[in-house]
Parts: sequence; structure tokens; C-alpha cells
Amino acid sequence: DAGITQSPRHKVTETGTPVTLRCHQTENHRYMYWYRQDPGHGLRLIHYSYGVKDTDKGEVSDGYSVSRSKTEDFLLTLESATSSQTSVYFCAISTRAGDSADTQYFGPGTRLTVL
Amino acid sequence: QKEVEQNSGPLSVPEGAIASLNCTYSDRVSQSFFWYRQYSGKSPELIMSIYSNGDKEDGRFTAQLNKASQYVSLLIRDSQPSDSATYLCAVNSGGGGFKTIFGAGTRLFVKA
Repeated sequence: DAGITQSPRHKVTETGTPVTLRCHQTENHRYMYWYRQDPGHGLRLIHYSYGVKDTDKGEVSDGYSVSRSKTEDFLLTLESATSSQTSVYFCAISTRAGDSADTQYFGPGTRLTVL
Repeated sequence: QKEVEQNSGPLSVPEGAIASLNCTYSDRVSQSFFWYRQYSGKSPELIMSIYSNGDKEDGRFTAQLNKASQYVSLLIRDSQPSDSATYLCAVNSGGGGFKTIFGAGTRLFVKA
């Protein structure tokens, strides 16, 4: 257990509304990630963070923004949710970032439905 | 072309048999390879990592890596119904975890 929690765990929202998902970790890991998982696509990286206020885009970042004002919290925001953003969202942390042996550990996930 | 490819399955094996899961990757500079298990409705959990050519064994699991063929596999011996899950292959090209690419996963069913 890498001490990762996500909130909310389930959310239903309407198209056009803003949504923020929270990832919280208790073990002071530097690297944090947001992924989405959809059938047939596996896990796809949305954004990642390599420190407080240091973030960068992943392969599917359009429509998403992130913020990290504290080591323990990494927020994912959908500024104006669309039905294509219906997915399961996983937060992850790295235990040895910057090392080729880096391993990622995942939070429990958030199931988001955009109607 | 997908960077990490897996047969989506489902792969069905009888209890006690060996399950063989395969993964190919396209980036020749890949350095680290991981297998995650994901039960339905749950998050992925790491079961094996391998970094060098050859075999690596951990209990009933054996990971096999062939960098020349860009191929990594996972063998599960004495398969149990509790092994029924989706298995994700992940490949890291080095320079930090943000370059980890995941396959779409293979669904495994172990029949009692």
C-alpha cells in the first residue's frame, strides 16, 4: 500500500460542468501521475508532476489541467466536462523516479460519468 | 502501431495449468519491464518487474525478457481461479516513470 487515496471515488456530472479530482499521498513521493483507463486503450497518461508546482503533459492532456501546490496533493481538473471524458481515472506515484528501475503504484481510482 | 501490444484475450486455462501471457514493444531503448495484475473494478497492482534478458522467478510467477526480439512474457504456474484478472504489460524507456507505456491488457480466466 503506497498510501494513495483518491476522491471522489465515483462522480456523475453533466456536460459543460467543471470537475476536480483529488489524489492524496502520505509518503512524500516526488513524482505523481494521472491516468485514464478506457476499454481497449489500457492506461493512458494525462499529466504528471515531478515536484511542487512542476507539472507536464502526457499523451492525452487536451481538456485537462493539473495543479500541485503541496507534495501530498495532485489535482486533476476538467474545465468543461465532455462525454468523451467518461472514464476511470487513476492516480499513481513513483518510488524511484529518475531511475530506469522506477516502479509505479496506483490509487484506488475514480469512476467519472459525464452525461 | 501501438507501442506496447498484448493479446486482449480472453485466455482461458484450467486450474493447475500454466498460463502464458505475452507482450511486444516497439521502443528498442526500453530498459524496464513490468507486469501488473488488475482485478475487475480495482486498481493495477505490481506483480513482477524485469530489467535484464532472461528469466526472473517469484513464487508461481516467471517473467521472461528478450530484448533482441522486443518481447516480454509472464508465466503463471499452477494457475488458480484467484489468478483470473487482466494482466497489464508496462514498458519504461528510462529517464523517469513518466515514460512508462502500458499495454491494453490480457484477460485471463482460470477455470476450476
